[in-house]
Amino acid sequence: AQSVTQPDIHITVSEGASLELRCNYSYGATPYLFWYVQSPGQGLQLLLKYFSGDTLVQGIKGFEAEFKRSQSSFNLRKPSVHWSDAAEYFCAVAANNAGNMLTFGGGTRLMVKP
Amino acid sequence: NAGVTQTPKFQVLKTGQSMTLQCAQDMNHEYMSWYRQDPGMGLRLIHYSVGAGITDQGEVPNGYNVSRSTTEDFPLRLLSAAPSQTSVYFCASRLQGAYNEQFFGPGTRLTVL
Repeated sequence: AQSVTQPDIHITVSEGASLELRCNYSYGATPYLFWYVQSPGQGLQLLLKYFSGDTLVQGIKGFEAEFKRSQSSFNLRKPSVHWSDAAEYFCAVAANNAGNMLTFGGGTRLMVKP
Repeated sequence: NAGVTQTPKFQVLKTGQSMTLQCAQDMNHEYMSWYRQDPGMGLRLIHYSVGAGITDQGEVPNGYNVSRSTTEDFPLRLLSAAPSQTSVYFCASRLQGAYNEQFFGPGTRLTVL
């Protein structure tokens, strides 16, 4: 069974600073990987996803993530954080078979200092 | 397109009561799912469906029932609510294929006293 670990529960960065949120997964083959964002009181919105090809993927709102098979990681990055990026971020993995189950990490809450 | 809708937004139950959380989507998605969100645990899959008449258990199915009589609707039933079921519940849908984006509803916040 697949699993996802997000080691950082909370992160605080200053507005304009760069950001990296960590995600490590466990799965026997190449997984489908996702990053979702959840603003307070809202549902989840997809930021980006990886399932094959170029290991650096671009998403919405200026986010990108890099798939590193050797490290079983899929870290999310943004070069310059805006105050509106304050939210909770979830990494998720899906098995690339008919199992259809999406497994989420515990989430990282991002706070942005002015 | 309304996307994925959920009702109610908030609900308070007493232990032992039953209720149904409603979920509907208008995107003609084959796949629908229910998750619960608890602090520090991310979202955990309760049940899912790959089409009308087909449902299956996720990671935490105990205490919950589902059915899928139409493509659009996927209700979640709590037969006898327990305080451990206090959570925020999200319904989601997507096209068939695990690589497709899941679209989430706004959530239902449930408190069981």
